[in-house]
Amino acid sequence: GAVVSQHPSWVICKSGTSVKIECRSLDFQATTMFWYRQFPKQSLMLMATSNEGSKATYEQGVEKDKFLINHASLTLSTLTVTSAHPEDSSFYICSALADYISYEQYFGPGTRLTVT
Amino acid sequence: DAKTTQPTSMDCAEGRAANLPCNHSTISGNEYVYWYRQIHSQGPQYIIHGLKNNETNEMASLIITEDRKSSTLILPHATLRDTAVYYCIVRPRANAGGTSYGKLTFGQGTILTVHP
Repeated sequence: GAVVSQHPSWVICKSGTSVKIECRSLDFQATTMFWYRQFPKQSLMLMATSNEGSKATYEQGVEKDKFLINHASLTLSTLTVTSAHPEDSSFYICSALADYISYEQYFGPGTRLTVT
Repeated sequence: DAKTTQPTSMDCAEGRAANLPCNHSTISGNEYVYWYRQIHSQGPQYIIHGLKNNETNEMASLIITEDRKSSTLILPHATLRDTAVYYCIVRPRANAGGTSYGKLTFGQGTILTVHP
């Protein structure tokens, strides 16, 4: 149980375009979802925390107008990278937490974004 | 501002026990020790967690020192598939709300390489 999926698994887009990444909890309702970014050979960095039906809380230094997060339902959160640039190329990972099940975060498989 | 210190890398022979140390000398009484691992280009996977007692599950054992300032993750019979980055994270108990609720702060982790 506690499976989290991401779509797409990889995406290539042109500079200046926007890209949407989906994160779904497949067999549970996620009260909270998290978005992380990971550059090559580096650790995961938390970008934002989102709760269903409310605005996301962004970490310091993360531009909320560039990384739009929508958590419209208990099973789906989306991250939209707006006006993407090559420096946004990274591995984006989501995780989901269902505090009525346990206190564990369950991670998605990640989405590799390449901006050309 | 990761609260843990881990060796950068370790090697282990296949079939032998892999012992991964972690220092968390500033851990507070309400913080758990969590271990996750990340296989290349995948999302992190939860391994185990503990507060002060030693813990064991089907994946690993966690040994926490009596003063809780350090811990060791033990993979009893390492396989090639255990090659990954292992993250030791300290995290507060479940808390009803608050901006830090559920957050995981990843350090650099230990790159474990299991050799044939």
